[in-house]
Amino acid sequence: KNQVEQSPQSLIILEGKNCTLQCNYTVSPFSNLRWYKQDTGRGPVSLTIMTFSENTKSNGRYTATLDADTKQSSLHITASQLSDSASYICVVSGDTGGFKTIFGAGTRLFVKA
Amino acid sequence: NAGVTQTPKFQVLKTGQSMTLQCAQDMNHEYMSWYRQDPGMGLRLIHYSVGAGITDQGEVPNGYNVSRSTTEDFPLRLLSAAPSQTSVYFCASRFLSGQGSYEQYFGPGTRLTVT
Repeated sequence: KNQVEQSPQSLIILEGKNCTLQCNYTVSPFSNLRWYKQDTGRGPVSLTIMTFSENTKSNGRYTATLDADTKQSSLHITASQLSDSASYICVVSGDTGGFKTIFGAGTRLFVKA
Repeated sequence: NAGVTQTPKFQVLKTGQSMTLQCAQDMNHEYMSWYRQDPGMGLRLIHYSVGAGITDQGEVPNGYNVSRSTTEDFPLRLLSAAPSQTSVYFCASRFLSGQGSYEQYFGPGTRLTVT
């Protein structure tokens, strides 16, 4: 069964600290993996997109990694800010058009001052 | 350029009532879709459309209807609301990018409660 599992479910860190969120998937075939940020009461916004041949992608303080062999991805947030408090969703697609897409349940990140 | 817009932001319905959730995009995207987001679960696809006049079912279509008369609008209709349809609903649109992938944009969501 195609699945996307994220850990931890929630995380609390102090402002300025780094953190890493995990995503394991069993989607096959694999086309691309995305990380989205979803602020409370808003729709998800794309952070990074990685295809099979890419093993790292950065967007400012956000760095995503992909190991297609072990079917694992991580999202590393550097020097966290209060505005990083949000849910982070891992999304895996089995095709380039996105018709076979599985969403993870997300990791809820709280950044405290 | 407003992106993807949804109305209403919040709605409370009684069991058995019907209503339409509105979605519009001004980016001329052919592909639009509706998702529901429930606590502890990933977004699930309800219905999608690959262009005006073309719609298809997603993972959880029961109890919902859609139509696509124009490229811009993609309304979602609840025929007879049930408490199990209490959820947050997101509309999205996307286009195929040049790198053999796609870019997807989500609306702000509609929080629906069915009592």
